[in-house]
Amino acid sequence: GQQVMQIPQYQHVQEGEDFTTYCNSSTTLSNIQWYKQRPGGHPVFLIQLVKSGEVKKQKRLTFQFGEAKKNSSLHITATQTTDVGTYFCAGPGDSNYQLIWGAGTKLIIKP
Amino acid sequence: DGGITQSPKYLFRKEGQNVTLSCEQNLNHDAMYWYRQDPGQGLRLIYYSQIVNDFQKGDIAEGYSVSREKKESFPLTVTSAQKNPTAFYLCASRGTGGPNTEAFFGQGTRLTVV
Repeated sequence: GQQVMQIPQYQHVQEGEDFTTYCNSSTTLSNIQWYKQRPGGHPVFLIQLVKSGEVKKQKRLTFQFGEAKKNSSLHITATQTTDVGTYFCAGPGDSNYQLIWGAGTKLIIKP
Repeated sequence: DGGITQSPKYLFRKEGQNVTLSCEQNLNHDAMYWYRQDPGQGLRLIYYSQIVNDFQKGDIAEGYSVSREKKESFPLTVTSAQKNPTAFYLCASRGTGGPNTEAFFGQGTRLTVV
């Protein structure tokens, strides 16, 4: 069935270092969404990418959608403690209402 | 304020008991979802509903049941048949814009079997 693979599962960084998470789909996606879940919280929508090769920025966060619309990445520049949490990607499933979720990447700031 | 409300936030259940988790939304969304999240893990779909009086099983529906009698409400019952029910349960909804609509989540319910 349709899958969205997300790596890495965890990433430990020093505050101020960069962070990247990658998602790969087994099929071409019409769009991809990114969410952030703070520790103990619920996922919150960050952004949606729709166009092939699209790049969007939100302050220190850069989101990219691959040319083939089968992969995507989220890059955080100069991480801060407020960035801690798990980042999920999600793509549409076979029906309009389905969402296929990546497993998430947990960003951990080393003390 | 518009949003999704899940209650209770924390729930304790004795083994062998059924328990119902509440999810209410005032966003006028057609689609609603229930996910289970185990510590350090991703989201696993239990059930989803596209419209009132209709719902579909997700990847891990065994031991769970749902109803969708009203557009605003999508309660989840964790039955005694669910072998390992201790988890964080998240309810979500999406609008009618098709695959380009974002999901909105409730605050979640932490269920512990004692």
